[in-house]
Formats: sequence, structure tokens, C-alpha cells
Amino acid sequence: QSVLTQPPSASGTPGQRVTISCSGSSSNIGSNTVKWYQQLPGTAPKLLIYSNNQRPSGVPDRFSGSKSGTSASLAISGLQSEDEADYYCATWDDSLNGPVFGGGTKLTVL
Amino acid sequence: EVQLLESGGGLVQPGGSLRLSCAASGFTFSSYAMNWVRQAPGKGLEWVSSIIGSGSSTHYADSVKGRFTISRDNSENTLYLQVNSLRAEDTAAYYCARALDAWYTFDIWGQGTMVTVSS
Repeated sequence: QSVLTQPPSASGTPGQRVTISCSGSSSNIGSNTVKWYQQLPGTAPKLLIYSNNQRPSGVPDRFSGSKSGTSASLAISGLQSEDEADYYCATWDDSLNGPVFGGGTKLTVL
Repeated sequence: EVQLLESGGGLVQPGGSLRLSCAASGFTFSSYAMNWVRQAPGKGLEWVSSIIGSGSSTHYADSVKGRFTISRDNSENTLYLQVNSLRAEDTAAYYCARALDAWYTFDIWGQGTMVTVSS
């Protein structure tokens, strides 16, 4: 059971906007910044969002992150077939004294 | 090009040991904390261990504390993970990852090396 809770799956059609949620607690999301990672099939994870809403160089602005209280969200607009991947949220947990990940959300582009 | 390349994985019996390596290139290795993150087949990501740039401080997940040892050789730009007393539940792809900041933002990942614990 992951410390951060994500829906196991999400889906959308090309061009659509989808959001993926990540729920935590006061000891993790509530007091620390959130990251999002994208893992394409058969590849290593890739940093998508850090500091709640910052995009590394090279990440399209179709990807955006937000945080409110003990929850965070990843939004993908203008959905493309190449966005089909697993998405993980992550943050630091003050109680566990270590970084924690969500269980991952498998995004399917219909 | 900034790159991390893991090696050393394989099939090992329960109770056995392995030494994983991660060769870094394209950046000043000693300036960054480095981490190991694992992923069991079909499962999510789990942080395993971290080491600061100088190598003087390390940190472990409770699930591996006392069995795994992280180290680094800054002269060789290489990160290591000594994994001992292996259990079936340690079966996973092991990724090395660079920490961008003090908040464990993993900005560069290797391709992973698979460790399978089975008799």
C-alpha cells in the first residue's frame, strides 16, 4: 500500500484534457513539494514536474502540476498517443523520513 | 550528454549478494547526491537509498536497512549498491538516479539493472 494514493488508471481521447490526482497527508504533500514522473512502457522514469508546478527543460507545456493542501494533480492537455504511460507522484514524508511515491496511474489514450 | 549506466544485476539465490554499479558521465558527479530506486515487476517505484556528494552521509529505506550499503567513488564517477541477504521481495529493476535538489527530485535516471532473487 503506497503512502500517496493515485487512481490506478485514467484514459482520454486525443486532444482531450485529463487530470491525475495524488492524495497524501500533512506529513508528506501537506508540508513538502510534489514531483511527477512519467514512465513510458519499458523505459526508466522521467522527471515531468517538480516543485509542484515547475517543468524541467524540454517538457512540453501541455503538462502542468498543482497542489492544494494534502492533494496534488497532474493535468495533461491536448492529449497525444505518445502520452500513454504510467505516471507517478512523489514527495518527501516527514514521518517516514524519506521520499515516497504514489502507486502510479496508467494512462491510456483511446 | 548526461548519462547514468547501471550494471551488476542478475539471478541470485535467497540469502545471496550482489554489487550493483552505476557509471555517471556528462556532469560533475561529486556535486550531486545520488540515489537507488527500485521497481518490482509490474509494481510501482520504491526509493531504496541515497548518498550525498562527498559520500560522508547515507540514508536507507527501512526495508533494506542493515542489508544494503550504498557507496560512491568520485574519482571513478561511480555509484555502488552492495545488496546482501537478498530476499524474494528484493526482486526488482534497480535504477540509479541523480538528485537535483535537497528535496529528492530525481532529474536523471539510468536504464536500470534487474535483480532476480530465486532458488
